[in-house]
Amino acid sequence: AQSVTQPDIHITVSEGASLELRCNYSYGATPYLFWYVQSPGQGLQLLLKYFSGDTLVQGIKGFEAEFKRSQSSFNLRKPSVHWSDAAEYFCAVFSGGYNKLIFGAGTRLAVHP
Amino acid sequence: DGGITQSPKYLFRKEGQNVTLSCEQNLNHDAMYWYRQDPGQGLRLIYYSQIVNDFQKGDIAEGYSVSREKKESFPLTVTSAQKNPTAFYLCASSIYEGGTDTQYFGPGTRLTVL
Repeated sequence: AQSVTQPDIHITVSEGASLELRCNYSYGATPYLFWYVQSPGQGLQLLLKYFSGDTLVQGIKGFEAEFKRSQSSFNLRKPSVHWSDAAEYFCAVFSGGYNKLIFGAGTRLAVHP
Repeated sequence: DGGITQSPKYLFRKEGQNVTLSCEQNLNHDAMYWYRQDPGQGLRLIYYSQIVNDFQKGDIAEGYSVSREKKESFPLTVTSAQKNPTAFYLCASSIYEGGTDTQYFGPGTRLTVL
């Protein structure tokens, strides 16, 4: 069955430090992968997506993600975190067979000044 | 401005009452979705609709109902049969772009059962 695992429930980083959020997926075919961000009490905002081609994907707000088929991973990175990046981050895979997004449980990011 | 609106932002319900959550989009997207979000569980699909007058159950449809009479609107009714309705509800719509179907989300409605 298709699934998405985000191994880290909470991550805390200092402002200005680099960030990597992990995402592993289980999907038989070529995956369509997404990262969304959610501020408290708000909806989800699309950061970036991967469907084919270059395995390093650039997104909004200075985020990027790298698709590694051999590791079934799609980790999100940012070279220098800002206090405004504190939020919850969700990785998702699109299941064409079921026509739906399958979400991970999310990673909550805290940023220390 | 194009976007997805959900109303109300907060909703309180007494046990045994049905309530309807509104979702409207002016993005001209064909497909619309309802998700439920609980702490630590990510998002779970309740219902989705790919075209007007058609919709399918998602993973947790029991106790919920929807309609899709207009392309722009996809209201969700939480019925008294839903045993644990307190949650954050998110509506989304999607369009095929950049090689894949991409979902965009509204701001959400927080439902609390008193």
